[in-house]
Amino acid sequence: SQQGEEDPQALSIQEGENATMNCSYKTSINNLQWYRQNSGRGLVHLILIRSNEREKHSGRLRVTLDTSKKSSSLLITASRAADTASYFCATDKGSNYKLTFGKGTLLTVNP
Amino acid sequence: DTGVSQNPRHKITKRGQNVTFRCDPISEHNRLYWYRQTLGQGPEFLTYFQNEAQLEKSRLLSDRFSAERPKGSFSTLEIQRTEQGDSAMYLCASSLTGSRDYGYTFGSGTRLTVV
Repeated sequence: SQQGEEDPQALSIQEGENATMNCSYKTSINNLQWYRQNSGRGLVHLILIRSNEREKHSGRLRVTLDTSKKSSSLLITASRAADTASYFCATDKGSNYKLTFGKGTLLTVNP
Repeated sequence: DTGVSQNPRHKITKRGQNVTFRCDPISEHNRLYWYRQTLGQGPEFLTYFQNEAQLEKSRLLSDRFSAERPKGSFSTLEIQRTEQGDSAMYLCASSLTGSRDYGYTFGSGTRLTVV
């Protein structure tokens, strides 16, 4: 079963614009992570936010977490064509370090 | 160490044949995970190991699937009597116990096509 649901399913923007993706989940978590996947390749870990954190930054990435609403958002600022990829949220909710992934958001950044 | 390595990258097999995939994790990572991903979906958990012990298996892992990690280093995933529904990307990832803040490191995956 998939814990997270990303929204929107697909997003198309122009280079330089900001991209915002949302993730909702169902049960309490230890942390929430975002991954990027280029077409046909493995996933790359982008950023992790713990359940007791509300916001985190890494370069052009900003992640927020609202545990009361069981939701998170990923903001990519000043997007580039190279940001074109699928983005997945994943939740770590137990003691076994197992991650449960959502279905992803396909981001297309047009040059 | 160049990350998590998976072989082969692509595998085409006839229905009913057996296939085996290999994963070499980052050497100091004691946890190893297998996921399956179909087109347009997120990765789905199959199984994971801590060292050589297989600690959890998903219900997705039918009796035709078996995974091993004999010396706590590399792992193999075998699918017996393949079916067309087994066509997917099989992803391996590794992590280090106690490093919950760093996420997984994934390999590039093995894409299986059953014809």
